[in-house]
Amino acid sequence: ILNVEQSPQSLHVQEGDSTNFTCSFPSSNFYALHWYRWETAKSPEAFVMTLNGDEKKKGRISATLNTKEGYSYLYIKGSQPEDSATYLCASSGAGSYQLTFGKGTKLSVIP
Amino acid sequence: EAQVTQNPRYLITVTGKKLTVTCSQNMNHEYMSWYRQDPGLGLRQIYYSMNVEVTDKGDVPEGYKVSRKEKRNFPLILESPSPNQTSLYFCASRLAGGYNEQFFGPGTRLTVL
Repeated sequence: ILNVEQSPQSLHVQEGDSTNFTCSFPSSNFYALHWYRWETAKSPEAFVMTLNGDEKKKGRISATLNTKEGYSYLYIKGSQPEDSATYLCASSGAGSYQLTFGKGTKLSVIP
Repeated sequence: EAQVTQNPRYLITVTGKKLTVTCSQNMNHEYMSWYRQDPGLGLRQIYYSMNVEVTDKGDVPEGYKVSRKEKRNFPLILESPSPNQTSLYFCASRLAGGYNEQFFGPGTRLTVL
């Protein structure tokens, strides 16, 4: 079992502030890291996936990956109320079908 | 529309009464799995299936059964539900390969009295 840890557990920011949070995962046998966005009363939806050290961007959100040390940062620039959600990261190992999820970071953006 | 569907969405039942939660996907995905989500514990995998007739235990399989007779369907069976199985359940599917995104169903809120 891969252990995926996320921090912080929850976060409150003002609209317009930039923020970031962390996902750490075992670096041995690592294959890919996924970020999912989970809004209240909905299902998790994948929005960023990264296989290597390249930064991935989707609009105001970007993800970095350090496979040697086993962590990924998710950055949100100029947070908006619609960014409020729980952000999950999930790691997959080489040769494995399974995704192991962290417990998530709950982001609340205050207007 | 590409989607994962689950039924029922909400269910209240009593201890010991067998139930099945259905899951179906229309994307021809090989890989399907079931998760439960509990406060403070995150998403925990119950069972997964890599293809038809191939299933395996996840992290919390006790008290659950699954079957994969057809590629599109992956029902979750609780033979004798107990109150500690009260939870929010998600079915998910994706193409084989660790780099493919996973699609989640809408969730089933189960309460066992």
